[in-house]
Amino acid sequence: GAVVSQHPSRVICKSGTSVKIECRSLDFQATTMFWYRQFPKKSLMLMATSNEGSKATYEQGVEKDKFLINHASLTLSTLTVTSAHPEDSSFYICSASASGGTNSYEQYFGPGTRLTVT
Amino acid sequence: GQQLNQSPQSMFIQEGEDVSMNCTSSSIFNTWLWYKQDPGEGPVLLIALYKAGELTSNGRLTAQFGITRKDSFLNISASIPSDVGIYFCAGQQTPFLGRTSEASGSRLTFGEGTQLTVNP
Repeated sequence: GAVVSQHPSRVICKSGTSVKIECRSLDFQATTMFWYRQFPKKSLMLMATSNEGSKATYEQGVEKDKFLINHASLTLSTLTVTSAHPEDSSFYICSASASGGTNSYEQYFGPGTRLTVT
Repeated sequence: GQQLNQSPQSMFIQEGEDVSMNCTSSSIFNTWLWYKQDPGEGPVLLIALYKAGELTSNGRLTAQFGITRKDSFLNISASIPSDVGIYFCAGQQTPFLGRTSEASGSRLTFGEGTQLTVNP
């Protein structure tokens, strides 16, 4: 159980275009989803925390107009990188935290999305 | 902000050797987690620790939650080639059990990772 999927797994886009990444919890309801960014050989950097039905909370230094997050249901959150630039190229990973239960604070990670902006 | 110091940064060992890595923090956490990440994949949870002093095993992996709640270690015994990857510690400050609606929003603070290479 506790499977999280991401789509797409890889995407290449041109500079100036927007890209949407989906994060789905497949077998549980996720009250909270988290979006991370990871540079090569570096740790995961939290970008934002998203609660179903409310606005996302962004970490300091993360532009909310650049990285649009929507958490419309208990099983789906989306991250849209708007007007992408080459410096936005990175590995984006989501995680989901189950609602209720003893282990509701455990985060389950998706497989990641490799974004390349040319 | 909170920081986790994870060491070593990298390890090169022979198959069959034991491995140890640790994390220390300037802040107290009430949950410690250890993840493994393979190239191009998301992190996979290996062990979760919920009580200070707790020692937990998962196969060849053993992890301990430091008594001060500011550190944790992970040991891998009898390493094999598939142990190769990056290992991350993560601390979490969860509210007391019972307030699960708040607990589900608890963020993780990650260490910088330990890159493990196992030579056959």
